[in-house]
Amino acid sequence: SQQGEEDPQALSIQEGENATMNCSYKTSINNLQWYRQNSGRGLVHLILIRSNEREKHSGRLRVTLDTSKKSSSLLITASRAADTASYFCATDEGGGFGNEKLTFGTGTRLTIIP
Amino acid sequence: SAVISQKPSRDICQRGTSLTIQCQVDSQVTMMFWYRQQPGQSLTLIATANQGSEATYESGFVIDKFPISRPNLTFSTLTVSNMSPEDSSIYLCSGIVTEAFFGQGTRLTVV
Repeated sequence: SQQGEEDPQALSIQEGENATMNCSYKTSINNLQWYRQNSGRGLVHLILIRSNEREKHSGRLRVTLDTSKKSSSLLITASRAADTASYFCATDEGGGFGNEKLTFGTGTRLTIIP
Repeated sequence: SAVISQKPSRDICQRGTSLTIQCQVDSQVTMMFWYRQQPGQSLTLIATANQGSEATYESGFVIDKFPISRPNLTFSTLTVSNMSPEDSSIYLCSGIVTEAFFGQGTRLTVV
C-alpha cells in the first residue's frame, strides 16, 4: 500500500495555540494536498502544494513540503474551536490533469479545547 | 469550485440486500472516484469511474460487489451488493477540476 502515514494520530490543544500535523509518503508525487473532514462527512480541500514548491500559505494555514524526505507538514495558527476535525494529507498518482486518483494518509484527529 | 450532491446521506440496510449511492456533479468532470472510509480509518479508493467504459477497480475490490455506472460526465452511481456488516462504512464520491472535491458521503450501516 502506498498510503501515507500521519502523526500524531490525535492532537488536543487549547484554543489560540498552533497545531502542527505531519505526513510522510512513499513514492514520488506531483503534488500533495491537505483535506479537512468534520464528523465523518465529506472532505473539504484546504491547500495543494506542488512538488516543486517548498512552502505555501493560505490564511491561517501553512504547508511545507520536503520531497527529499517525502514529508509534509500542516500548521494551523491561532486555532479556533471550529478547527476541530480530522485532517488528511493526500498524494496524487500522477498521470496529468484531470485523472489523478489520490492516496490518503492515515489522518490526524485534531481537537481544539475552548 | 464544483459541487457534488450525494445521496442518500445515510442508510441502515439488512444484510444480503443492495444499496445504490448516487452522485450528481454540477459541472462536467472527466473522472469520478469512489472511496470507502471504514470507521475511524482513512479513505481507500474503490474504483475510478470513466464515462462510457468500465470502471477501474483497485486491488481488493471487484465489480460484482461494487458495480459502478457512469452514464455521463455529471453523474455516477455505486452499488454495494449483497451487503454484510463488514460493508458498514462511509462511502464518498469525488471528482477533480483543479483539485479534488467530494460529496458529503453516505454513512451505511448493515445490520
